[in-house]
Amino acid sequence: AQSVAQPEDQVNVAEGNPLTVKCTYSVSGNPYLFWYVQYPNRGLQFLLKYITGDNLVKGSYGFEAEFNKSQTSFHLKKPSALVSDSALYFCAVRDRSPGGYQKVTFGTGTKLQVIP
Amino acid sequence: GAVVSQHPSWVICKSGTSVKIECRSLDFQATTMFWYRQFPKQSLMLMATSNEGSKATYEQGVEKDKFLINHASLTLSTLTVTSAHPEDSSFYICSANPRQASSYNEQFFGPGTRLTVL
Repeated sequence: AQSVAQPEDQVNVAEGNPLTVKCTYSVSGNPYLFWYVQYPNRGLQFLLKYITGDNLVKGSYGFEAEFNKSQTSFHLKKPSALVSDSALYFCAVRDRSPGGYQKVTFGTGTKLQVIP
Repeated sequence: GAVVSQHPSWVICKSGTSVKIECRSLDFQATTMFWYRQFPKQSLMLMATSNEGSKATYEQGVEKDKFLINHASLTLSTLTVTSAHPEDSSFYICSANPRQASSYNEQFFGPGTRLTVL
């Protein structure tokens, strides 16, 4: 079975400071990894994905994430946080191996609060 | 980009009535649509996978007779909550995989439907 862990329920960061939202995963094969953001009473918006290639993936709104296979992590980062980045962030994983589990599994979400 | 809409965006109904939620892919065809349920401050829980022209595949613990899913076309899937009760109150979100996408493409999510059962 595949799983995703987001160890922090909430992350607080001052505006202008770098931010990190942590995510670790577990799959039987090689993973597809995703980050989504959700604003209150809204659906999920895609931020970025890792499929293959460079371990550092750049996405929307200045976010990036680093795939670390040895640590099975895919932490979301941004060099300088904005108040408008305050939202709920979900990490997700999908097993891309042939015959692997095809459904996407979401983490429990991390609430990011950027303090002015 | 790929856009998914949901209708209605919110609905309030009396206990015992049925509510239908529509999920449409506006600018692409979707062979597969997914229905999720999200409780406050919790993650998305996959309820069922809907494939065009075939029966939906429900996740363990989800009552298929209570949550009826119909994927009538490549652009429309509906979720009907039958005989709704207050415990069915939740935020329901659909997503869709474009027909043209490779298997690893990200899902495109609708804006969600807030259901409140009185």
